[in-house]
Amino acid sequence: DTEVTQTPKHLVMGMTNKKSLKCEQHMGHRAMYWYKQKAKKPPELMFVYSYEKLSINESVPSRFSPECPNSSLLNLHLHALQPEDSALYLCASRRRGENTGELFFGEGSRLTVL
Amino acid sequence: GENVEQHPSTLSVQEGDSAVIKCTYSDSASNYFPWYKQELGKGPQLIIDIRSNVGEKKDQRIAVTLNKTAKHFSLHITETQPEDSAVYFCAANSKTSYDKVIFGPGTSLSVIP
Repeated sequence: DTEVTQTPKHLVMGMTNKKSLKCEQHMGHRAMYWYKQKAKKPPELMFVYSYEKLSINESVPSRFSPECPNSSLLNLHLHALQPEDSALYLCASRRRGENTGELFFGEGSRLTVL
Repeated sequence: GENVEQHPSTLSVQEGDSAVIKCTYSDSASNYFPWYKQELGKGPQLIIDIRSNVGEKKDQRIAVTLNKTAKHFSLHITETQPEDSAVYFCAANSKTSYDKVIFGPGTSLSVIP
């Protein structure tokens, strides 16, 4: 199983809503990532969890709240978002340790904030 | 922090021709350089990678070269096919920030049949 599964695939929310994006992997990877991608732009790093602890927060606004309940799951909680937060949110996982390498990406959750 | 530049931003080639995409990185501690292909509606997928102790790596029609002194690396695709049309991203990973993988701005490749 070499898949990263993201749900939902599409999400539309208002600026006062609270919603969550979910990501799951069963490859035994101990690093999990959230990236944000706008149209015609590269993935932009948001958060990294390493061994279920937050290791990188790229100065992301607090209206995005990550959570890593266990080594297979990664959530991104969304609250009071702005229309400019509309984007494709990509989850990725990566093996941790010597010669760490490839990021395995999910297909993304396309978020629209009205 | 790490910065990755990539050129060209768009590239159009005839089927069967070669395509070359070039990247430069800023962090001299970078030691891992992957290339990702992203097709419409999908997440990026690794196509080839190279580590700093190697100058060149090849996998069938795809090759990557690394010049550590100049801090640049390149992707070469030979005998291009229409299914090679996609957006290609280079990336770099610094050994001083182990988990951080930073992407270049991307190259949109179109292969014309």
